[in-house]
Amino acid sequence: QEQLQQSGPGLVNPSQTLSLTCAISGDSVSSSSAAWNWIRQSPSRGLEWLGRTYYRSKWNNDYAVSVKSRITISPDTSKNQFSLQLDSVTPEDTGVYFCARSKLGITVNWYFDLWGRGTLVSVSS
Amino acid sequence: DIVTTQSPDSLAASLGERATINCKSSQSVFSTTTNKNYLAWYQQKPGHPPKLLIYWASTRESGVPDRFSGSWSGTDFTLTISSLQAEDVAVYYCQQYYRTPYNFGQGTKLEIK
Repeated sequence: QEQLQQSGPGLVNPSQTLSLTCAISGDSVSSSSAAWNWIRQSPSRGLEWLGRTYYRSKWNNDYAVSVKSRITISPDTSKNQFSLQLDSVTPEDTGVYFCARSKLGITVNWYFDLWGRGTLVSVSS
Repeated sequence: DIVTTQSPDSLAASLGERATINCKSSQSVFSTTTNKNYLAWYQQKPGHPPKLLIYWASTRESGVPDRFSGSWSGTDFTLTISSLQAEDVAVYYCQQYYRTPYNFGQGTKLEIK
């Protein structure tokens, strides 16, 4: 059964790094027909796509401009999972973080068909 | 960036009634290469992630009741629930996936009148 299982701390101190992991079941992080995304949700920003990683001949990453200087999304092929690192967090980064899959077809643009349950992350001292 | 704007922000309808949610994209999300509109609709209930309902603007995801349908005209997209059921109470989002960043609409909260 296809599933995404999220893990990581729910509280991060300001200026520190937010780190979350998404373990994949029923699919492969190295699949050439899927991309692995992080999306967050907050009352002020709504649903916000943060970025993705995917493999097509080589590993590729795309990031939202709003977080591009602070974000890293990386695959871990040995554990079939991918992770999010967001540096120098502020209270504005508080929200529910989701991992999600988007399939890849002729183009690399696809809808999100599989979601993790979400992790509430609070940035506070 | 392609911005998607939904209307209304909230909607109350009676059980069995038709409910319509609109979404307008700031640019075309139609690809002449694939002949498809890169627009999806999601349903989100409290404490849960968004659930995919409709993709390619009008294709229903497997398992989604046929009372849900999607349509479009140019850059205007519509999600229609033909006969509202109690379990349809949720927030609904449109999302463009034509190009990154993949922006979502602000959401429409659907309630029972």
